[in-house]
Amino acid sequence: NAGVTQTPKFRVLKTGQSMTLLCAQDMNHEYMYWYRQDPGMGLRLIHYSVGEGTTAKGEVPDGYNVSRLKKQNFLLGLESAAPSQTSVYFCASSNLAGAQGSEQYFGPGTRLTVT
Amino acid sequence: GENVEQHPSTLSVQEGDSAVIKCTYSDSASNYFPWYKQELGKRPQLIIDIRSNVGEKKDQRIAVTLNKTAKHFSLHITETQPEDSAVYFCAASFTGSYQLTFGKGTKLSVIP
Repeated sequence: NAGVTQTPKFRVLKTGQSMTLLCAQDMNHEYMYWYRQDPGMGLRLIHYSVGEGTTAKGEVPDGYNVSRLKKQNFLLGLESAAPSQTSVYFCASSNLAGAQGSEQYFGPGTRLTVT
Repeated sequence: GENVEQHPSTLSVQEGDSAVIKCTYSDSASNYFPWYKQELGKRPQLIIDIRSNVGEKKDQRIAVTLNKTAKHFSLHITETQPEDSAVYFCAASFTGSYQLTFGKGTKLSVIP
């Protein structure tokens, strides 16, 4: 049981390049989330999904797109990377919605640098 | 939307002493309050949580208290050990929400 995995672990992009971060979970969770973590800023929600085929905007969605074509996968895309998107990205999943009190299981993170 | 303030941002304690981290939230409809611990270079992991119908919850050396009237909740760690050194995040979620709102984190250093 791998839990939540993320690919890649590290990536360096040049400004304007695009990339996709992959999150996979094997716990059959309905809810999946993408966060970014910056020093002193905590965890900020980018986008989330409440089930296969659904996506919704979080606190900081600009510059990112997501897709949830399969229940176990949640993809985060950067169409035209900017230095402001340099961050550590965490994916998480849970079997209940936030307010229902379910633990969010986090992936190991992806460290992205945009030069 | 929900806003969660966390204090202090850094905290240093001597091994064996207690540590307290406080959070306030803005939405009176919030009903779930988890705490996550993130060790250096690792992923956040849930250490304890509390729901709005409970005032206090304990798990060995850690406890969380909730004051709904004042809209704040606190993490208490007793008999701190070096392995407690990490960044701690509080979070809150209100009824009907699919998401958690996190505080900005507290870096706890336990000095041997």
